[in-house]
Amino acid sequence: DQQVKQNSPSLSVQEGRISILNCDYTNSMFDYFLWYKKYPAEGPTFLISISSIKDKNEDGRFTVFLNKSAKHLSLHIVPSQPGDSAVYFCAATASYSGAGSYQLTFGKGTKLSVIP
Amino acid sequence: ETGVTQTPRHLVMGMTNKKSLKCEQHLGHNAMYWYKQSAKKPLELMFVYNFKEQTENNSVPSRFSPECPNSSHLFLHLHTLQPEDSALYLCASSQDLSLHDNSPLHFGNGTRLTVT
Repeated sequence: DQQVKQNSPSLSVQEGRISILNCDYTNSMFDYFLWYKKYPAEGPTFLISISSIKDKNEDGRFTVFLNKSAKHLSLHIVPSQPGDSAVYFCAATASYSGAGSYQLTFGKGTKLSVIP
Repeated sequence: ETGVTQTPRHLVMGMTNKKSLKCEQHLGHNAMYWYKQSAKKPLELMFVYNFKEQTENNSVPSRFSPECPNSSHLFLHLHTLQPEDSALYLCASSQDLSLHDNSPLHFGNGTRLTVT
């Protein structure tokens, strides 16, 4: 059973508009969430993270929102640029659960295409 | 050279072959990981090493054998694999096991393995 779900395999957005990528999780022990970005033929790269003590974290054009009651997080990219076209992975961990707390559980990813 | 380097980038092997995947990190990190990404599945953690000691074996079949001679190098020895083992194998490293903002995962570009 998937504990981290990215229900949209793909998303297309016009350049300059907002991209919203969604992620749902089922494990209530998860308390730290990360987004990774992956270009073809490259490994994933860390983008932004959020702890469960916050509901928002912003870094430049990227903002992650966390709704703990809904077990939902989203990544907003504003404004979207063609270079943002990549696969975005949501990941979660129960960072204070002791043994195995470093294990990241990943979603399947959402492929974002930003159209010029 | 910086970052996490994996060789080879592509590997085709028969079911009776023995081969090894190599990973080297130049980031001074203490933890190294092997992940597997199969088609249409999330990234799956296989093995974790911290200060050269294996801390996690995520129920991986014995036909996959990791080796970590030092904190900078990680190998994955492959023996009598099955076609369903065909996947992208990603190596990653982190400063420590906390996986927080000051210690995110840094991934290599992966080895695309095909078992025939």
